Amino acid sequence: DTEVTQTPKHLVMGMTNKKSLKCEQHMGHRAMYWYKQKAKKPPELMFVYSYEKLSINESVPSRFSPECPNSSLLNLHLHALQPEDSALYLCASSQGQIGDTEAFFGQGTRLTVV
Amino acid sequence: DAKTTQPPSMDCAEGRAANLPCNHSTISGNEYVYWYRQIHSQGPQYIIHGLKNNETNEMASLIITEDRKSSTLILPHATLRDTAVYYCIVRVGNNNDMRFGAGTRLTVKP
Repeated sequence: DTEVTQTPKHLVMGMTNKKSLKCEQHMGHRAMYWYKQKAKKPPELMFVYSYEKLSINESVPSRFSPECPNSSLLNLHLHALQPEDSALYLCASSQGQIGDTEAFFGQGTRLTVV
Repeated sequence: DAKTTQPPSMDCAEGRAANLPCNHSTISGNEYVYWYRQIHSQGPQYIIHGLKNNETNEMASLIITEDRKSSTLILPHATLRDTAVYYCIVRVGNNNDMRFGAGTRLTVKP
């Protein structure tokens, strides 16, 4: 199983809502990533978890709150988002070793903030 | 941190080889070159990676110059399904820091 599963595929939320994005992998990978991608732009790194610990936080606003409850699961909690946060949110995982590993990506959650 | 430079767009005729260049002139000795592609609205897909030697797999070949300052991804017989944005990434640091540059939009034409 080389799949990274993201749910939901689509999400529409209001600016006062609280929602969560979920990402799951069963490849035994120990590094998991969140990216944000706006239309016609490359994915932007948001967070990286390595062995369930947050190792990279790219100065993401606190209205985005990542969580890694176990080695297979990664969540992104959303609260008080702005319309400009509308984007495709991608999750990825890799073995977590230095250098020689490929990353697997999910198909993303397309988020619309209204 | 090493950065990459790629042409913003390229065209290729179906059935011909597509050669996508990437410049990474500040790459460090222990950094790998990775290539991913993203077909419209899908998650990026791993293609190939290498350190010093040329590499080949079922999807593509990767040619890295001897000084490692640039590389070329070769799709030997491009098909319409290879139309995508291709990203060249240099793995930086030791914290699984994987960042995308602007990429090259490859259009394969019939």
